[in-house]
Amino acid sequence: GQNIDQPTEMTATEGAIVQINCTYQTSGFNGLFWYQQHAGEAPTFLSYNVLDGLEEKGRFSSFLSRSKGYSYLLLKELQMKDSASYLCAVLDSNYQLIWGAGTKLIIKP
Amino acid sequence: ETGVTQTPRHLVMGMTNKKSLKCEQHLGHNAMYWYKQSAKKPLELMFVYSLEERVENNSVPSRFSPECPNSSHLFLHLHTLQPEDSALYLCASSQEGGKGGETQYFGPGTRLLVL
Repeated sequence: GQNIDQPTEMTATEGAIVQINCTYQTSGFNGLFWYQQHAGEAPTFLSYNVLDGLEEKGRFSSFLSRSKGYSYLLLKELQMKDSASYLCAVLDSNYQLIWGAGTKLIIKP
Repeated sequence: ETGVTQTPRHLVMGMTNKKSLKCEQHLGHNAMYWYKQSAKKPLELMFVYSLEERVENNSVPSRFSPECPNSSHLFLHLHTLQPEDSALYLCASSQEGGKGGETQYFGPGTRLLVL
């Protein structure tokens, strides 16, 4: 079966750095997405990786290793508004998105 | 602003009621999706429409009935639901319908409670 694993919940301090990991086992791979979802709101696109390596976008970076079936989202200089759930999703060989259950990130002052 | 709107935002219904969820996208996209999001579970894809034709139905119970009258509008008709159907129902759209690294744009969702 297809599976996406990410931690259920993480806590970090304002101003610090946090890394949210995602591991996947899917039938084929056509890219990996990260979405952010604030409580009661729509998921919003953060990043898309299809090649190995690190993609940086402001305070957020996303890393992919296809050989290890692994990705992480790195958030720097954390702000209170970064408190949200972060969803990892993989596009499989049929171009179907397989979603993780999400990681709830709690930022403390 | 997301470009995808959903109404109502909240809905409480009894098991014998019939109701409809509405989604509208203002992005000029050709594909639209219905997802179910339950607490601490992955998003579950329910239906996909591309150019107003249904291309995917992931074995969803018949008490959920989608309708896509045009590429901008998507409905989810609900009847004789069960309490376990209580969840957040999200609508999304994308440019072409899932091929390649398309980004999906989500609406804010309808929080459904079935009593």
